[in-house]
Amino acid sequence: DVKVTQSSRYLVKRTGEKVFLECVQDMDHENMFWYRQDPGLGLRLIYFSYDVKMKEKGDIPEGYSVSREKKERFSLILESASTNQTSMYLCASSSGTSDYEQYFGPGTRLTVT
Amino acid sequence: SQQGEEDPQALSIQEGENATMNCSYKTSINNLQWYRQNSGRGLVHLILIRSNEREKHSGRLRVTLDTSKKSSSLLITASRAADTASYFCATASLFLTGANSKLTFGKGITLSVRP
Repeated sequence: DVKVTQSSRYLVKRTGEKVFLECVQDMDHENMFWYRQDPGLGLRLIYFSYDVKMKEKGDIPEGYSVSREKKERFSLILESASTNQTSMYLCASSSGTSDYEQYFGPGTRLTVT
Repeated sequence: SQQGEEDPQALSIQEGENATMNCSYKTSINNLQWYRQNSGRGLVHLILIRSNEREKHSGRLRVTLDTSKKSSSLLITASRAADTASYFCATASLFLTGANSKLTFGKGITLSVRP
């Protein structure tokens, strides 16, 4: 079974703090994704990566950056957290040699105060 | 940009009834996928249908795809209270490669199954 883990289930940070969200997958997947989910807006893609050190902007990259130094790990960084970044953050991964179905982590609910 | 649009936005049925959810999309696709999300959790992949397929079954799930109408439907038969969740359709680009591996998700359908 594919397992995608996220570093925290709940996180509370203050405005202006630098925030790191970590995601690790154990299935040697090439592709990894970061989404945020807000009521009424569905899932919105922030960034994704299709290989180590490769990254592509999604639909809402502003205010975020990512890092992928190892194949199994994909980090989302909020350089200076703001209250409008309070959200549920979901990480996912997919194989590069199949139909690209995605496997999701449990999510991190981030609150910025 | 949202490609998949689910319909209805919310559905409430009695246990034992069938639930039908619809998804429409705008551009040509490689495949269409359905996911389930229990409250406050991550999404779970349910079923995938490729663009050259018309119907697939998996347990109590049946998905159809009509590429001429750019629409799909997910049928859950003999629903159970445990089927209560949000359901999302997602489309994969026609030209599916690693660099183009992202899926486009709809906003989801909230299904409530009353015991």
